[in-house]
Amino acid sequence: DAGVTQSPTHLIKTRGQQVTLRCSPISGHKSVSWYQQVLGQGPQFIFQYYEKEERGRGNFPDRFSARQFPNYSSELNVNALLLGDSALYLCASSPRTEDTQYFGPGTRLTVL
Amino acid sequence: GDSVTQMEGPVTLSEEAFLTINCTYTATGYPSLFWYVQYPGEGLQLLLKATKADDKGSNKGFEATYRKETTSFHLEKGSVQVSDSAVYFCALSRRGYQKVTFGTGTKLQVIP
Repeated sequence: DAGVTQSPTHLIKTRGQQVTLRCSPISGHKSVSWYQQVLGQGPQFIFQYYEKEERGRGNFPDRFSARQFPNYSSELNVNALLLGDSALYLCASSPRTEDTQYFGPGTRLTVL
Repeated sequence: GDSVTQMEGPVTLSEEAFLTINCTYTATGYPSLFWYVQYPGEGLQLLLKATKADDKGSNKGFEATYRKETTSFHLEKGSVQVSDSAVYFCALSRRGYQKVTFGTGTKLQVIP
C-alpha cells in the first residue's frame, strides 16, 4: 500500500509570497495532521483535520491555514511568508484522530 | 503542558555496540509513547510504540518499555549497525488530544 505522499518535494519562495503544500493520506485514513520541523528540532503540531473539519490547531499565526477535501487529501497554505517559515513541513495521516500517525516524506520550504 | 525530554546528541558508537537513548516525558493521564526515526533527507518513520504502562514496543531489534513510575521510555538496541545512523525522536500523544508532542531528537552515528 502506498504511504503518505506530499508535493512538492522542495520549494523556494521569497518573503511576502504565499505557498500551498499538498498531502495525500494512506488509503482508508480519514485524518490528516500537519507539522512544522525547523532544522535541528522536533516537529511542531500545526493542524489536524478529520472528515473535512478542523479538529485541532497548534500555536501558529493566522497566516497558516489548511483544508481537507472529500477524498481526505489536504492542503496547507501559508500567507505572507517570513524567513522563519523555512522548514520541513510534514503531513501525517491516521485512520481516526487518536490513532497512530504515519508521516510522509515532507516538503522542504526555503524562504529567501 | 505535555513535554518530552531526550538525551542530547550526537551519539557516536562503533558497529555492534549497545545503544541506549534516554527519554522522559511529562503528561497527565496515560499517554501513548512512540519512537520515530528520521533518516537523512527523509520524513519520519514509526519505529515502535507502547500504549500502556509496562508495555514493551519492539521493532528491527530496537526495544523500549513504558515505565509509568519513572515516566520514561528509553530506546535500546543490543548491536547497532551503520544503517541505524539517523535521528531518533521520542514522542507522546494523549487520548482526546489531536497532536503528537515530540522531543528534540537524538542523532545517532554508527561508525564501522
